[in-house]
Amino acid sequence: RKEVEQDPGPFNVPEGATVAFNCTYSNSASQSFFWYRQDCRKEPKLLMSVYSSGNEDGRFTAQLNRASQYISLLIRDSKLSDSATYLCVVSWNTGNQFYFGTGTSLTVIP
Amino acid sequence: DADVTQTPRNRITKTGKRIMLECSQTKGHDRMYWYRQDPGLGLQLIYYSFDVKDINKGEISDGYSVSRQAQAKFSLSLESAIPNQTALYFCATSHTASTGELFFGEGSRLTVL
Repeated sequence: RKEVEQDPGPFNVPEGATVAFNCTYSNSASQSFFWYRQDCRKEPKLLMSVYSSGNEDGRFTAQLNRASQYISLLIRDSKLSDSATYLCVVSWNTGNQFYFGTGTSLTVIP
Repeated sequence: DADVTQTPRNRITKTGKRIMLECSQTKGHDRMYWYRQDPGLGLQLIYYSFDVKDINKGEISDGYSVSRQAQAKFSLSLESAIPNQTALYFCATSHTASTGELFFGEGSRLTVL
């Protein structure tokens, strides 16, 4: 079983739509949670960390459910520039290792 | 200039050849990592290092070796490349006290024929 699992998509949504991605993780001792964004053939970059109480950054909202061991990312008012692959990342053992999901592909259509 | 630099960016080689991928960083971070990315598999950790004297195997270290020549340099070697090592390789760094942000190089695309 993979440490971190994501629906690979693809998600194709019109501009202005709201889209949500989920991610599940297997290790209940996981301590830190993140969403990264990866553009085609580029390196991953941190989009946002995910905190226990949930957090928001502009159009992006991240939620953590420790009891069910899943993380979500909500994107409101989708822009063309949001088209990318979104990677769920989990770490434990004080960040000694980071485990990546396979990524969810999003295409925002004009 | 990029904070995390990988060379070469692209390499085509033949089975059995020795290959070295190099990574250097100007971020002053202690922690450095090598990942490989394959379609449908996500990023998998090959090796990681928390300082010059510390080297640790990751999930998929077989067939690879690393060298941490200095705080800023971490190289990955394939002693005898095989076709299933064809992948996109990323070097990454993080700060010791980091809350988790990894800073990635632009990647090295390796093709083994």
